[in-house]
Amino acid sequence: NAGVTQTPKFRVLKTGQSMTLLCAQDMNHEYMYWYRQDPGMGLRLIHYSVGEGTTAKGEVPDGYNVSRLKKQNFLLGLESAAPSQTSVYFCASRRGDGRYTFGSGTRLTVV
Amino acid sequence: GQQVMQIPQYQHVQEGEDFTTYCNSSTTLSNIQWYKQRPGGHPVFLIQLVKSGEVKKQKRLTFQFGEAKKNSSLHITATQTTDVGTYFCAGPNTGNQFYFGTGTSLTVIP
Repeated sequence: NAGVTQTPKFRVLKTGQSMTLLCAQDMNHEYMYWYRQDPGMGLRLIHYSVGEGTTAKGEVPDGYNVSRLKKQNFLLGLESAAPSQTSVYFCASRRGDGRYTFGSGTRLTVV
Repeated sequence: GQQVMQIPQYQHVQEGEDFTTYCNSSTTLSNIQWYKQRPGGHPVFLIQLVKSGEVKKQKRLTFQFGEAKKNSSLHITATQTTDVGTYFCAGPNTGNQFYFGTGTSLTVIP
């Protein structure tokens, strides 16, 4: 039982490049989330999904897109990376009782 | 919108001292969760509180949920170096999605 798996773990992008962060969970959770974590800012919700085929905006959605084509996968896309998107990105999924399970994170640097 | 405020932002304690972090919401919460994130790691669920005035203990950790369900606290007795990390509270908004507090970073000095 792997829980929540994120790939890649580290990435360096040049400004303007695009990339996709992958998140997979094997717990059959309905809800999945993407957060970014910056020093002193805590965890800020980017986008989330309440089930396969659904997505919704969180607190800081600008510059990101997401897709949930399969229940177990939640993809986060950056179409044109900017230095302000340098951050640690966490994917999470949620049980019915509200407990979140987080992935190990992706450390992204945009230069 | 929904906000969960956490204080203090940083706390340095000598090993063996106690530590408390506080979480405050502008609105009544149906429940509150606490997470711990070790340096370089990811948040890990600690506990969920649901009832008004609820108190739960996990070894040296004591969690409380306020009577009005607008605030919560985490108290660690006799800190150890293994307690180092950032502690987050999280509360649900009207859409039942959780907002996380800014966290309290705990440093334990041996």
